[in-house]
Amino acid sequence: NAGVTQTPKFQVLKTGQSMTLQCAQDMNHEYMSWYRQDPGMGLRLIHYSVGAGITDQGEVPNGYNVSRSTTEDFPLRLLSAAPSQTSVYFCASSYPLGGLNTGELFFGEGSRLTVL
Amino acid sequence: GQQLNQSPQSMFIQEGEDVSMNCTSSSIFNTWLWYKQDPGEGPVLLIALYKAGELTSNGRLTAQFGITRKDSFLNISASIPSDVGIYFCAGQLTDSWGKLQFGAGTQVVVTP
Repeated sequence: NAGVTQTPKFQVLKTGQSMTLQCAQDMNHEYMSWYRQDPGMGLRLIHYSVGAGITDQGEVPNGYNVSRSTTEDFPLRLLSAAPSQTSVYFCASSYPLGGLNTGELFFGEGSRLTVL
Repeated sequence: GQQLNQSPQSMFIQEGEDVSMNCTSSSIFNTWLWYKQDPGEGPVLLIALYKAGELTSNGRLTAQFGITRKDSFLNISASIPSDVGIYFCAGQLTDSWGKLQFGAGTQVVVTP
């Protein structure tokens, strides 16, 4: 199993450009999510999905779109990149334990995005 | 905004020493998780806690879910050089299924 695979690993954009960060998992996990990591701020949840066709907003969703057409894939779209979106982005997946609990998160290696 | 307060921000310790870090919140969590992140990698789960008062060990690591459900700590005993990294706590609020919140992290540096 490859686990959680993110592409690209590095990307430089100009302000206003659009792009999609790809995320794929081969563990048949229902739950997938996107986080951004900024110095001194830990990881902040952007969007998450509890299954195909279902997405919801996290703590910092503005400027990002997601969709979940399959269990395996959860792309993150930046429609018009801004310098404030310079960050390291992590995709994570999990098989929920059920009930109120969130199970272990498996993270990808991250995508480092710079917006000039 | 971020509701988890993780401390300390950084620790410089000698090999063989014990390490302790904690997370606190003004809100009640039903899940506490501790992750470690190595440079250039994604975080990796160390310990998961799902019940108030739960004390769980994983090798030299020990973590506890606070009785009030508002805090958790992680201890590392007899530190070794590979313990270097950033340690994050993460929690899920009782009414926020699917939304893990992360602390700002504790940078651990181990010197020989």
